[in-house]
Amino acid sequence: QQPVQSPQAVILREGEDAVINCSSSKALYSVHWYRQKHGEAPVFLMILLKGGEQKGHEKISASFNEKKQQSSLYLTASQLSYSGTYFCGTLSGGYQKVTFGTGTKLQVIP
Amino acid sequence: DAGVIQSPRHEVTEMGQEVTLRCKPISGHNSLFWYRQTMMRGLELLIYFNNNVPIDDSGMPEDRFSAKMPNASFSTLKIQPSEPRDSAVYFCASSSGTGELFFGEGSRLTVL
Repeated sequence: QQPVQSPQAVILREGEDAVINCSSSKALYSVHWYRQKHGEAPVFLMILLKGGEQKGHEKISASFNEKKQQSSLYLTASQLSYSGTYFCGTLSGGYQKVTFGTGTKLQVIP
Repeated sequence: DAGVIQSPRHEVTEMGQEVTLRCKPISGHNSLFWYRQTMMRGLELLIYFNNNVPIDDSGMPEDRFSAKMPNASFSTLKIQPSEPRDSAVYFCASSSGTGELFFGEGSRLTVL
């Protein structure tokens, strides 16, 4: 089952904050976040592991609620370079099978 | 490190033709993934390999699709015969087991 992301799209002015949510119907081992710029490949941002350990990007943070099977990505003081489509990926099996969400298109304007 | 290398970057073909996409993973990575991206369906996992062995091919849409990984440094995704609905960007990604996926630049396939 594909995780569901919200919002589908958001426009921010530089310096504003945003939250992107990811929800799964399955129990999760981990949640991954990627950003994809137009015409490019997805790039890894962060992984959140069951049990609370967090790794990843220094300027963007995230949370993982295992009981609710949800994760949120927090972008603070947004920069133009934050523009792109953000995908959450969930791992619910014993292997490395990452299932990506529907995507959130974020645009930061001056 | 050169990153994940995919070829061709762009492929335009006619319906019914055979298409072969190629991928060279990052050296030392033991897992390889093939994803397909379309506007309608997003990023879909087609198949993934661990230590050159196919682990899960449940995402392969139908028998027209096949994938191989003859050694640790090369994989192919073949579509035969191709159909217009196969038009998409196909990404190859590799991982060392840390969870982080390293994607190639993708192969954009157009089937006329």
